[in-house]
This record gives sequence, C-alpha cells and structure tokens, in this order.
Amino acid sequence: AQSVAQPEDQVNVAEGNPLTVKCTYSVSGNPYLFWYVQYPNRGLQFLLKYITGDNLVKGSYGFEAEFNKSQTSFHLKKPSALVSDSALYFCAVRRGGYQKVTFGTGTKLQVIP
Amino acid sequence: EAGVTQFPSHSVIEKGQTVTLRCDPISGHDNLYWYRRVMGKEIKFLLHFVKESKQDESGMPNNRFLAERTGGTYSTLKVQPAELEDSGVYFCASSQESGATGELFFGEGSRLTVL
Repeated sequence: AQSVAQPEDQVNVAEGNPLTVKCTYSVSGNPYLFWYVQYPNRGLQFLLKYITGDNLVKGSYGFEAEFNKSQTSFHLKKPSALVSDSALYFCAVRRGGYQKVTFGTGTKLQVIP
Repeated sequence: EAGVTQFPSHSVIEKGQTVTLRCDPISGHDNLYWYRRVMGKEIKFLLHFVKESKQDESGMPNNRFLAERTGGTYSTLKVQPAELEDSGVYFCASSQESGATGELFFGEGSRLTVL
C-alpha cells in the first residue's frame, strides 16, 4: 500500500517570503514523488518530480522540493512567494514499477500581498 | 498540441439517473487514468487503461461505475444509477511513458452533482 499525508489544509504566507508546503509519504520500495498544482477551475499541472539522484529537485515557476528518505518527506519550497502562486497543491507518490499514483488531500496556498 | 479534454465540465442530475463522462487523452498517450475528488478529500484513483485494456480497476467504487476505452483512444465513465455520494470532480489523466517515472497530464475535470 502507498499513502501520502499533507498535514496542512491551508498555508498562508506573505508575498516575498519563503514558503513551504509539507508532504510525507509511505510506500514499499523506491518512491517516485511528484508535486502538482491546481489553479481555480483548471486541471492539475505537473510541477516537479523526484525519481532518483540529487535529493533537491527543481521544477516549474521557481519551485523546488527536497527528498528526505529518513523522514519520508518531500516538502515543496520556494524562496520568495508570489501572489500568483496562490493555488491548491497536491503531493503524490508512485511505487517503482507500478503505475498507480496516490495523491494527498491537497494544501491550499494563499499568498497575501 | 491539444491537452486532455473532458466533457461535460459540469453535470447536475438527480439520484437514480445516468451520467456518462468522456475523456479524450493527448494523442499517442497509451496510458489513461480516471480519478475522483470528493470535496476536501484526496484525489482517489479509480482505474487505469493501457490502450483499450483495463490494467487496474481496483479503485472503482462498485458496479454502478463502468469505464470503457474502445479502440484505445477516448474513454467514457458511466455512472448508473447515480447516488448522492457519487458527487465530486472526476479527473482524467494520460501519460505516454510506460514506466512509473512519467508525470500525468490532467484534464480540467468533470464536476458531477447528484441531487
């Protein structure tokens, strides 16, 4: 079985401040980890993924995420938040060699001007 | 290149009625997935097609749900008869890569409201 936990329903951050959206996962075997973003009335868009290699992965719109195997975490980060980053963010995990993707409950990010 | 398209964007039906949702994946994508999100909860996996074959339908809630992908192109998801708890947003996604490392490309979703 595989699962994802996003402990925060909502994260509020002031524009220009760094942001972190938390994600922890549980999976047997090697995890493939993903972040997706959903803007209002839109589908989910891929942001970044960790498959193997460097624990710090960089993605679209200046976002990055750090894979921490010992803590089974994959937190999403950005050094300086923009109002346009306000959206719903989903963390997801896939087991190596397995097609099914499991998503978290989502975290609403609100960037305050 | 056209993305994943879903129809209808919103459907309001009464309990007991039938609804059919359609998904057109990105051309050339063999993998097609259906997911559902109930308000405030996680996006739950329903099933996965590889071309026209159901690879994994472990997430289908019950036999009121029927998914097809004839010819390996577009897919339909029929709910018959609909119940109140079927309300939610149904997402379709497709991917090209056969391995587990590729990202999914999502449609905008079909919002189903059962009254």
